Amino acid sequence: QQPVQSPQAVILREGEDAVINCSSSKALYSVHWYRQKHGEAPVFLMILLKGGEQKGHEKISASFNEKKQQSSLYLTASQLSYSGTYFCGTEEEYGNKLVFGAGTILRVKS
Amino acid sequence: NAGVTQTPKFQVLKTGQSMTLQCAQDMNHEYMSWYRQDPGMGLRLIHYSVGAGITDQGEVPNGYNVSRSTTEDFPLRLLSAAPSQTSVYFCASSFKRLAGAYEQYFGPGTRLTVT
Repeated sequence: QQPVQSPQAVILREGEDAVINCSSSKALYSVHWYRQKHGEAPVFLMILLKGGEQKGHEKISASFNEKKQQSSLYLTASQLSYSGTYFCGTEEEYGNKLVFGAGTILRVKS
Repeated sequence: NAGVTQTPKFQVLKTGQSMTLQCAQDMNHEYMSWYRQDPGMGLRLIHYSVGAGITDQGEVPNGYNVSRSTTEDFPLRLLSAAPSQTSVYFCASSFKRLAGAYEQYFGPGTRLTVT
């Protein structure tokens, strides 16, 4: 079952902050975040594991609320290069597959 | 180290034709998967494999077959192409989760059009 992402799209000016949310109805083991530029493959940003471990990007932060099965990606002081589509992917507690949400389109304007 | 490679990059098929999308990785990853990407629907999992000889269905497996005879290769077969299978197909690989989760490495994608 696909996780639900919000918002669907957001437009920012350079320097502004944004938060992208991801929620699941399943008990999760991990949440992944990826960014995709137009015409390119998705690129890894971060993994958050049940229990608090995080792996990933130094300039991007995220949280994982295990009780609510929700994750948020925080983009601070946005740059033009942050533009793209952001996907969250979730792995269930007792599963092997990584399932992605529909994506959030982020556009940063100068 | 080529990473994840996919061939072809572009393909046009007629309804009813069959074909195989190729995917290979040289990182010794156990886990490989296929996704399709359609506008507004994100990345939807078609099939995945946790190792050679082991495959399983994802969210949208109908109309597709896979096999995994080696660690490196994970081909996706379209048995009888339909216009609804027009999409961009991504192959991805990663290490297999034992006590952690691992980043997925995506291939460049195959853009398939079925007329």
